Amino acid sequence: NAGVTQTPKFQVLKTGQSMTLQCAQDMNHEYMSWYRQDPGMGLRLIHYSVGAGITDQGEVPNGYNVSRSTTEDFPLRLLSAAPSQTSVYFCASSYEAPGTANTGELFFGEGSRLTVL
Amino acid sequence: KQEVTQIPAALSVPEGENLVLNCSFTDSAIYNLQWFRQDPGKGLTSLLLIQSSQREQTSGRLNASLDKSSGRSTLYIAASQPGDSATYLCAVDTDRGSTLGRLYFGRGTQLTVWP
Repeated sequence: NAGVTQTPKFQVLKTGQSMTLQCAQDMNHEYMSWYRQDPGMGLRLIHYSVGAGITDQGEVPNGYNVSRSTTEDFPLRLLSAAPSQTSVYFCASSYEAPGTANTGELFFGEGSRLTVL
Repeated sequence: KQEVTQIPAALSVPEGENLVLNCSFTDSAIYNLQWFRQDPGKGLTSLLLIQSSQREQTSGRLNASLDKSSGRSTLYIAASQPGDSATYLCAVDTDRGSTLGRLYFGRGTQLTVWP
């Protein structure tokens, strides 16, 4: 099984450019989420989705946009990249959303390392 | 807001030692607690998931316990090996409906096991 697949693995952007980080899972998971990981800050939740057509904001949503048109895909869009968005981005999915009895394990992708100049 | 603390932040031990990593959380109204492992430059891998009704879970040399009422979990690693070197993170949810979809992570314990 592929699990959670993120693309690209590495990306360099200039300030003001836009781009989309792709995330796909093949486990038929209802819940998908995006985190960013920065030194000294830990993992911070950007956006999440508890099912197709449903998205919600996490801890640090500003400057990012998401949609969930299918169960499998959960792309993260950077609208106008800023140096503060330089980070490693992780997509994660689970059977159901955290905060439910049947959430199951959270599976992570390998990460996308983004540098904004 | 649920807050998760992991102690120690870093740990360096010789091969073969049994060791304990600690995780504490402020809101005991949880459904699940998970322990993860992260190798440098990689994503997180789930090691163990403990449901709130359980007291412990075991996988090979790993044993995780949960004391929900006191807001504590420990990850016990038996007979540590250099391959166990990684950062270990714990994460909890809450069973309050307003926080559906949110998982709260600690900062992790960076473990080094030397030969």
